Amino acid sequence: DTEVTQTPKHLVMGMTNKKSLKCEQHMGHRAMYWYKQKAKKPPELMFVYSYEKLSINESVPSRFSPECPNSSLLNLHLHALQPEDSALYLCASSQARESSYNEQFFGPGTRLTVL
Amino acid sequence: GIQVEQSPPDLILQEGANSTLRCNFSDSVNNLQWFHQNPWGQLINLFYIPSGTKQNGRLSATTVATERYSLLYISSSQTTDSGVYFCAVENYGGSQGNLIFGKGTKLSVKP
Repeated sequence: DTEVTQTPKHLVMGMTNKKSLKCEQHMGHRAMYWYKQKAKKPPELMFVYSYEKLSINESVPSRFSPECPNSSLLNLHLHALQPEDSALYLCASSQARESSYNEQFFGPGTRLTVL
Repeated sequence: GIQVEQSPPDLILQEGANSTLRCNFSDSVNNLQWFHQNPWGQLINLFYIPSGTKQNGRLSATTVATERYSLLYISSSQTTDSGVYFCAVENYGGSQGNLIFGKGTKLSVKP
């Protein structure tokens, strides 16, 4: 199984809402990632988890809060977002970062609209 | 940080034509991947190719790490090949797992 799944596919939320994005993989990978992609731009890294520990936070505002409950799951909690946070949020996974083989596999994304 | 440049930015082909997409990078890499992003946003893995040559059906890729470039070849293009092709690299000695993407090549294949 070489699949990364993400829910929901689409999300519309107000600036005062709290919501969560979910990502799951069953490839035995120990590194998981959140990327943000604005329209007509390439994806940009937000967070990296390795062995369920946060290892990279690319200066992301605190209104985005990641969580890795176990090696298969990755959540992104959203609170008090701004309209400019509207984007496609992509989850990815790979073998452990210490591995010599680090191909990343991406989920289908959650398209987020903040009103 | 490492720079990744893709060319051309846009490409229009007739079905059946061949094409070559280029990715230049400014520093040593320990990971290079090619992706196809379909109109629904899904990033599809094409190749994991930090060096050497690989082929998969009508697609092939070559990375010459010492000269800091990679090429993606598409032969006998089909309308389903349309979309954006991204090259992404992980800088050797940089933050592991941080894939830096180029701006992409938008390919349109006309029937």
